[in-house]
Amino acid sequence: EIVLTQSPGTLSLSPGERATLSCRASQSVSSRYLAWYQQKPGQAPRLLIYGASSRATGIPDRFSGSGSGTDFTLSISRLEPEDFAVYYCQHYGNSPETFGQGTKVEIK
Amino acid sequence: DVQLLESGGGLVQPGGSLRLSCAASGFTFSTYGMSWVRQAPGKGLEWVSGISGSGDGTYYAVSVRGRFIISRDNSKNTHYLQMNSLRAEDTAIYYCAKFGIGSDCSRSRCYGNFDYWGQGTLVTVSS
Repeated sequence: EIVLTQSPGTLSLSPGERATLSCRASQSVSSRYLAWYQQKPGQAPRLLIYGASSRATGIPDRFSGSGSGTDFTLSISRLEPEDFAVYYCQHYGNSPETFGQGTKVEIK
Repeated sequence: DVQLLESGGGLVQPGGSLRLSCAASGFTFSTYGMSWVRQAPGKGLEWVSGISGSGDGTYYAVSVRGRFIISRDNSKNTHYLQMNSLRAEDTAIYYCAKFGIGSDCSRSRCYGNFDYWGQGTLVTVSS
C-alpha cells in the first residue's frame, strides 16, 4: 500500500499570499493517479485536481497541481478567504485508494 | 446537476448492523462505479468500498472486508453499504462518492478519484 505524507501539517498565511502544499509518496507513482481535495468544516470533500495537474470542473485557475514520481505539489496562487480549509492528496492507481493525512491552511 | 444523498446512519451498539443508502441523480448511474469513503471524528479520509457500474465488481478496504457488503440497484439509482459486526472504530461520517475522470472500476479492478460526494451520514458505534 502506498503511503502519502503531506507537509506541512498546518500552513498559516494571509489572504492574497501564495500557498504551496506538498504530498510525498512512499514509492514512485504515476502522475495520472494523483488527486487533491479541499474540505471545509462540516462539508464533504471537493475534488480540485486529478491526474496531478488537471483542474476539476468549476475549479478556479488559482489552483494548480504539479509533480511526478514521489513528489507532488498543490499551489494556490493568491489565497481567497474561501480557500482556508483542509487539503488532502489521494493516490488511486490501484486498490486501495489512499489519502494523505491532510494540510490545514489557516488564516495568519 | 449531480446529487448524492446518503441515509441510514445512526447509533448502533458494538456487534450490530446498519445499512446505508445513497440515492443518485443527475447522471447515468449504471455507467459509473460508486464508492464509500469514511472520516472518523477529527481524522482524515479512508476509502471503504467500491462497486462497478454493473455491480459485478466489489472491493473493500482490509479494515472492513468480511463485515461490510456493498451493492447497488441500478433501477433505483441507489447503492448501499450493509455494515455488520460493527466496532467502535467504525464510528465515522460515511460519504458516498462517484468515480470521476481517469477512474476505472470494473469487474477486474477498481480505483479512481471522486468527483462528486454526498453530504455524509454519521454512524456511531457505542454501547
